[in-house]
Amino acid sequence: DVKVTQSSRYLVKRTGEKVFLECVQDMDHENMFWYRQDPGLGLRLIYFSYDVKMKEKGDIPEGYSVSREKKERFSLILESASTNQTSMYLCASSKVWETQYFGPGTRLLVL
Amino acid sequence: GESVGLHLPTLSVQEGDNSIINCAYSNSASDYFIWYKQESGKGPQFIIDIRSNMDKRQGQRVTVLLNKTVKHLSLQIAATQPGDSAVYFCAESKAGTALIFGKGTTLSVSS
Repeated sequence: DVKVTQSSRYLVKRTGEKVFLECVQDMDHENMFWYRQDPGLGLRLIYFSYDVKMKEKGDIPEGYSVSREKKERFSLILESASTNQTSMYLCASSKVWETQYFGPGTRLLVL
Repeated sequence: GESVGLHLPTLSVQEGDNSIINCAYSNSASDYFIWYKQESGKGPQFIIDIRSNMDKRQGQRVTVLLNKTVKHLSLQIAATQPGDSAVYFCAESKAGTALIFGKGTTLSVSS
């Protein structure tokens, strides 16, 4: 079974803090994705990566950056957290550009 | 522009009934479609997928139907159970591109 894990289930941070969200997959997938999910807005793609050290902006990259130093790990970074970044963050991975497998999500609250 | 949507944001059914969740897509070039189930507090889970060269695909208690003429996708759940209560998302993609997700339908199953 594909396993995608995320470093935290719940996180509380203060405005202005730097926040790291980590995602690890164990299936040697090339593609990895970061989404945020908000009520009424569905899943919105922040960034994705199709290979180590490669990254592409998604639909809402502003205020975020990513890092992929190893194939199995994809990190999402909030350089200076703001209250409008309070959300559920979901990581996913896929072998090709089709079936994505999701992690359990990180619920981030920025105060 | 491209969009994937669902006809109804909520659907309520009785235990044992069959459920039908609908999805309309706008990109006629999409060749791959997928359904996810997301339970409260969890990440989306893959249910079933279908390629554009098929009209129907069956899984365990689930069937996906694809009507390319009217760009419509549906998920049928047989003998719906309380454990089927969740948000259901459809998504589409065309070759070499990331999935585009709909906003989701919340299925509520009452005993």
